[in-house]
Amino acid sequence: DAGVIQSPRHEVTEMGQEVTLRCKPISGHNSLFWYRQTMMRGLELLIYFNNNVPIDDSGMPEDRFSAKMPNASFSTLKIQPSEPRDSAVYFCASSLEGQTYEQYFGPGTRLTVT
Amino acid sequence: AQKVTQAQTEISVVEKEDVTLDCVYETRDTTYYLFWYKQPPSGELVFLIRRNSFDEQNEISGRYSWNFQKSTSSFNFTITASQVVDSAVYFCALRIYGNKLVFGAGTILRVKS
Repeated sequence: DAGVIQSPRHEVTEMGQEVTLRCKPISGHNSLFWYRQTMMRGLELLIYFNNNVPIDDSGMPEDRFSAKMPNASFSTLKIQPSEPRDSAVYFCASSLEGQTYEQYFGPGTRLTVT
Repeated sequence: AQKVTQAQTEISVVEKEDVTLDCVYETRDTTYYLFWYKQPPSGELVFLIRRNSFDEQNEISGRYSWNFQKSTSSFNFTITASQVVDSAVYFCALRIYGNKLVFGAGTILRVKS
């Protein structure tokens, strides 16, 4: 079975540019999570969706960040405009809530904003 | 407070040694889930195990074993006969209200040959 798929794997962009990260969850999973990992702050949950509906976005740093899940097999995390402090590894994860609960992570997108 | 503490920042061992990674958690919930994840140098996060709060039975999987003790709020992870491929960052996590996971800061394990 395919795991969680993220694209791109690496993104280098200049400050002020728009960045879009993409995620395809494991087929059949009903919850999707976006995390950010940095040396200073560790793993932080940004937002999660249940059945395509955003449930908790309290971890989204500010209005420059937005996330969507238009259907069960696709989600995006957008940063507009990007800033150097957004440089991090962004992970997408999915789970089957109500049954197994463990989250399976994608390979991550390493974002560098110069 | 809902919190996970991994007090060991970094551990270095020589191959074939046994090593235990500590995890202490805090939660007010009576039903909760605990997890261990491995992050090798390649960067991906790999799920290792899930444990429910109502199941204190310890588990062994090959060289890996987990000791869950509610009385001390601990969920420790032991690798027996460590190998260089075990070198990674290991995260303990607690599932709190909703679907949210709270992660510990991680323990860097270095296994030297």
